[in-house]
Amino acid sequence: DAGVIQSPRHEVTEMGQEVTLRCKPISGHNSLFWYRQTMMRGLELLIYFNNNVPIDDSGMPEDRFSAKMPNASFSTLKIQPSEPRDSAVYFCASVVGNQPQHFGDGTRLSIL
Amino acid sequence: SQELEQSPQSLIVQEGKNLTINCTSSKTLYGLYWYKQKYGEGLIFLMMLQKGGEEKSHEKITAKLDEKKQQSSLHITASQPSHAGIYLCGADSPGNFNKFYFGSGTKLNVKP
Repeated sequence: DAGVIQSPRHEVTEMGQEVTLRCKPISGHNSLFWYRQTMMRGLELLIYFNNNVPIDDSGMPEDRFSAKMPNASFSTLKIQPSEPRDSAVYFCASVVGNQPQHFGDGTRLSIL
Repeated sequence: SQELEQSPQSLIVQEGKNLTINCTSSKTLYGLYWYKQKYGEGLIFLMMLQKGGEEKSHEKITAKLDEKKQQSSLHITASQPSHAGIYLCGADSPGNFNKFYFGSGTKLNVKP
């Protein structure tokens, strides 16, 4: 069984550049979540989708962050322009119904 | 909004010792989830508790949800170095379509 797949695993880029993180949820899961994890703030929910529709994006830090889910098998989280304070590990998770969320391995993002 | 407070924030134990991690909610819990995260990796689901007084075990890890459904504990018996990592509790937010909250996590180190 393929789990949640995130790419890239690591991303290092200079500030001001556009960063795109990708996520493929588990087939059949109808909810998808984007989280950010830092030492200072722990695991924060950024946005989640249900049936490809964004339900709550109140956790998105600012307008530089955007997320899309064009279909049931793909989602992107974009940061433009990126800043050093965006450095973190970004996780994607998917779930169906009342089941536990399944997490990807994360993207470790470093903005120089 | 739901808030989950975990204690302790970090823990160092000698191999073979028992330990307990607590998770306290500001509101009644409708679903409480325990996850483990190895350093640099994604979250692995451990157990889900839904009923007051419920207790579940997996290998040497036992989780309980109190009768009032506002506190959960995770107990590890005879700890091993493989138990090291970050333990996070998470909860559903009823009436807020799948919105999910995490505690700040407990870092566990087990000394051989």
